[in-house]
Amino acid sequence: DAGVTQSPTHLIKTRGQQVTLRCSPKSGHDTVSWYQQALGQGPQFIFQYYEEEERQRGNFPDRFSGHQFPNYSSELNVNALLLGDSALYLCASSQWGQPQHFGDGTRLSIL
Amino acid sequence: GDSVTQMEGPVTLSEEAFLTINCTYTATGYPSLFWYVQYPGEGLQLLLKATKADDKGSNKGFEATYRKETTSFHLEKGSVQVSDSAVYFCALSEQGFNKFYFGSGTKLNVKP
Repeated sequence: DAGVTQSPTHLIKTRGQQVTLRCSPKSGHDTVSWYQQALGQGPQFIFQYYEEEERQRGNFPDRFSGHQFPNYSSELNVNALLLGDSALYLCASSQWGQPQHFGDGTRLSIL
Repeated sequence: GDSVTQMEGPVTLSEEAFLTINCTYTATGYPSLFWYVQYPGEGLQLLLKATKADDKGSNKGFEATYRKETTSFHLEKGSVQVSDSAVYFCALSEQGFNKFYFGSGTKLNVKP
């Protein structure tokens, strides 16, 4: 039974570019959340998707946007990349209202 | 707002030593509390959880008790192993587990 899978594993971009990260939830899960984990810090909640709608959002600018597809997979898009966007981006999935299971993350480096 | 505060690391112990990692929280409601572990290059794995006051979560020899009176959820293990070396995160979630607040993490190094 595959867990939460994220792609790509690593990504290098330059300032001003746009990036798309992808997440496939654990089988049976319908809710996807995204977190940003800066080096040496705990994960910070970005937003959560359920039934293809954004249900909750953390304190992140509109440059961060997302999408959930009918098969429950999700994308995180970040526009106009800044150096400070360099981080590990974690996807977590769950059944609605249940504890979250995390993927191994995408390491995004901004040059 | 909701927040979690963990003791700063790194914590360095010898194998078979007793472990305590302190965690306190601030919440507006009645949160569920969690400990997650992160090994190098990996995502977070749920270690244990407690959903109401006085509950004790336990897994793989680790324990933590939800103390509402002291707003704490300290992680303990009686005898650590080298394989326990990792970063440990305390977290809380309000009703519905829809949004998690994490502490900054505590790195544990266990020496043989």
